[in-house]
Amino acid sequence: AQSVTQLGSHVSVSEGALVLLRCNYSSSVPPYLFWYVQYPNQGLQLLLKYTSAATLVKGINGFEAEFKKSETSFHLTKPSAHMSDAAEYFCAVTYSGGYQKVTFGTGTKLQVIP
Amino acid sequence: DSGVTQTPKHLITATGQRVTLRCSPRSGDLSVYWYQQSLDQGLQFLIQYYNGEERAKGNILERFSAQQFPDLHSELNLSSLELGDSALYFCASGGTGYSGTEAFFGQGTRLTVV
Repeated sequence: AQSVTQLGSHVSVSEGALVLLRCNYSSSVPPYLFWYVQYPNQGLQLLLKYTSAATLVKGINGFEAEFKKSETSFHLTKPSAHMSDAAEYFCAVTYSGGYQKVTFGTGTKLQVIP
Repeated sequence: DSGVTQTPKHLITATGQRVTLRCSPRSGDLSVYWYQQSLDQGLQFLIQYYNGEERAKGNILERFSAQQFPDLHSELNLSSLELGDSALYFCASGGTGYSGTEAFFGQGTRLTVV
């Protein structure tokens, strides 16, 4: 069975500071991993995805994530937070073969303090 | 715009009633997912269809049912509604339904049961 765990349901950072949102996965086979962002009253939007190519993945809005198999992690980072980054972020996992569903983490709400 | 269309955007109904939520996937996508998002439960996977057939089931109540039609649009039927069913219901679609393809989300239907 596949799952993801997001550490910290709420994270606060100052504007201009590093953003680090943590995600650890559990999968018995090589995973495909995603980060989504949800702004208030909107659907989820894909930020970036890892599908077994480069381990460092760059996404939209200056975000990136690094797949670390030894740590079973896929943490999301951004060097400098912007007020517009305030949103909820979801990590998700699936894997190859068959009609696999995407499993989401519980989400992390990011607050950016001016 | 993700290309996934959900109707209606808002729905207010009374307890005990039945409603139908509709989803049109992105052009060419064969897989449709339904999710429920509430404050206390977070994002919960309900059910997945692939090319008209049910492929995966999550935390979907027996009062809820879904189907995917030959034109690939999907409907989620919620019956005997309770106050606790008030939530955002998202539909998402994926490419072939195989993993490695991310889910694209609609804007959601906000259901309020009074």
